[in-house]
Amino acid sequence: DAKTTQPTSMDCAEGRAANLPCNHSTISGNEYVYWYRQIHSQGPQYIIHGLKNNETNEMASLIITEDRKSSTLILPHATLRDTAVYYCIVRVKGRDDKIIFGKGTRLHILP
Amino acid sequence: GAVVSQHPSRVICKSGTSVKIECRSLDFQATTMFWYRQFPKKSLMLMATSNEGSKATYEQGVEKDKFLINHASLTLSTLTVTSAHPEDSSFYICSAIQRGKETQYFGPGTRLLVL
Repeated sequence: DAKTTQPTSMDCAEGRAANLPCNHSTISGNEYVYWYRQIHSQGPQYIIHGLKNNETNEMASLIITEDRKSSTLILPHATLRDTAVYYCIVRVKGRDDKIIFGKGTRLHILP
Repeated sequence: GAVVSQHPSRVICKSGTSVKIECRSLDFQATTMFWYRQFPKKSLMLMATSNEGSKATYEQGVEKDKFLINHASLTLSTLTVTSAHPEDSSFYICSAIQRGKETQYFGPGTRLLVL
């Protein structure tokens, strides 16, 4: 799997949009961008994924640059419950399917 | 999304005993399940990939005789930590994926403490 680079930590004020960047400059054409988050002492939670188009669901939006070398996860109105470690992962859909986790971004939502 | 459960959620055992952790996909059939371990303030580390009806594939450095994995049905995989030692104390997390689907879903984790 291609490697990703994320900031170690970020702060965001409650109620504001949280924008989490991820660099994946060596991504291959058939690799998807996935985002998961892990709240303390829980298993990771799937958030969203995409290939090249921007995606939105009830949790977040995913913006992928045209060259696909980077992406941004957007939590539109962050709450205290969004405090977690956010993992950006790139992987090929279908083949092997194992996920190799990096260090992620520790997001602190401030009251 | 799909639901994956783990049992027990936490377990304390004595050194030298074996502990079995169950991972179940509750509303889908999982052809592939994965086992991870996580130490405090560290990221998840993949231990092995488990395919229904076949032997698990272990990551480099993971002892297959120490961590026995059985994926006997499409909804259940078990991880047995044999002859547990204090250094095996960790947070063990499983995940499951349905054939042809894109997303891997994770269980809530099992916290193991070996005394």
